[in-house]
Amino acid sequence: EAGVAQSPRYKIIEKRQSVAFWCNPISGHATLYWYQQILGQGPKLLIQFQNNGVVDDSQLPKDRFSAERLKGVDSTLKIQPAKLEDSAVYLCASSLDPAGADYEQYFGPGTRLTVT
Amino acid sequence: GQSLEQPSEVTAVEGAIVQINCTYQTSGFYGLSWYQQHDGGAPTFLSYNALDGLEETGRFSSFLSRSDSYGYLLLQELQMKDSASYFCAMYSGGGADGLTFGKGTHLIIQP
Repeated sequence: EAGVAQSPRYKIIEKRQSVAFWCNPISGHATLYWYQQILGQGPKLLIQFQNNGVVDDSQLPKDRFSAERLKGVDSTLKIQPAKLEDSAVYLCASSLDPAGADYEQYFGPGTRLTVT
Repeated sequence: GQSLEQPSEVTAVEGAIVQINCTYQTSGFYGLSWYQQHDGGAPTFLSYNALDGLEETGRFSSFLSRSDSYGYLLLQELQMKDSASYFCAMYSGGGADGLTFGKGTHLIIQP
């Protein structure tokens, strides 16, 4: 079974530029999450999709971050304009059934963003 | 608000047993998960506790006490490959099931 795919793996941009990240979850997984992990900290949830609808985006900085999940499969996360404090690893995760017995989330390898 | 506290670093010897503690604060609680993350890698799921008690999976066990807002991860027969960061994370519910993570415990295994 293929895991969660993300691209690009690394991205370096200057502040005020825009950037987009792509995620392809595990086939059949209805729920998709985007997390931001700053160096030395735990992942922080940015947004959660159930199929192609948003369940929780309470921690998404909506003035600069946006995300979409078309057709309930792939997802993109965009930052425009980027700030220095956006430097982090952006992790995508998916889960089969949010009400499942084990609540396991499967994480992709992440995109490491450096804003200079 | 929601928060989890865990030690920033723990050192143990190969072959030994180590316990990583986690305390949490939240207005709503559904369960506690543990994830392992090697440097530069993705977090991988280790365990989930929704009810009080001990869950065992091979060399790893996880414990939860809802009344004490406390849990721990127990790693036995430590191997060098267990050197990694370990995160406790909780589900607070409220119609969503994204995880709230602690800051992580860096486990150092010495030969």
